[in-house]
Amino acid sequence: KAGVTQTPRYLIKTRGQQVTLSCSPISGHRSVSWYQQTPGQGLQFLFEYFSETQRNKGNFPGRFSGRQFSNSRSEMNVSTLELGDSALYLCASRRGEKNEKLFFGSGTQLSVL
Amino acid sequence: AQKVTQAQTEISVVEKEDVTLDCVYETRDTTYYLFWYKQPPSGELVFLIRRNSFDEQNEISGRYSWNFQKSTSSFNFTITASQVVDSAVYFCALSEGTNRDDKIIFGKGTRLHILP
Repeated sequence: KAGVTQTPRYLIKTRGQQVTLSCSPISGHRSVSWYQQTPGQGLQFLFEYFSETQRNKGNFPGRFSGRQFSNSRSEMNVSTLELGDSALYLCASRRGEKNEKLFFGSGTQLSVL
Repeated sequence: AQKVTQAQTEISVVEKEDVTLDCVYETRDTTYYLFWYKQPPSGELVFLIRRNSFDEQNEISGRYSWNFQKSTSSFNFTITASQVVDSAVYFCALSEGTNRDDKIIFGKGTRLHILP
């Protein structure tokens, strides 16, 4: 069974641009969560999608948005990039039952210059 | 609100020593779940264990063991006879069980260096 796949692996953008990250969950998993990982803050929860609906949301500004498609694939978008958005963005999937463990991808390393 | 604290930012031990990673959590729920994940240099988080709040039995899996103490809201992780391959960042996490929004919240992680 293929794991969680995130593309691209690395991205370099400049301030003010926008970026879209992609995540393909494990087959059969209907929930996709996104996390931002930075050296100082650890893993911070962005949002979770389940069956194309946002189920949970963290404390991030509206510049961070996401969506989920009918095949459970998810995209995350960050508009008007700031230097502080430089981070490793991790996607995780699970079947969707409450309190299940998450399966993580390798992440997208975003650098904002 | 749920919170996870890993007070140890970075730990270095010599190979074959035992090491304990601390995790303290806060929750208002009586039903909750605790997790440990390992993040090796490759970046992908690997699931290690999940415990629910009703099961206070300590667990051992090979060189790994976990000590869950509700009285002190702690869920500590011990590696016995550490090996260089154990070098990684370890995250403790919490999910509130009865809350409809069962998002998993992570601590800031402990970076563990096992020195040969």
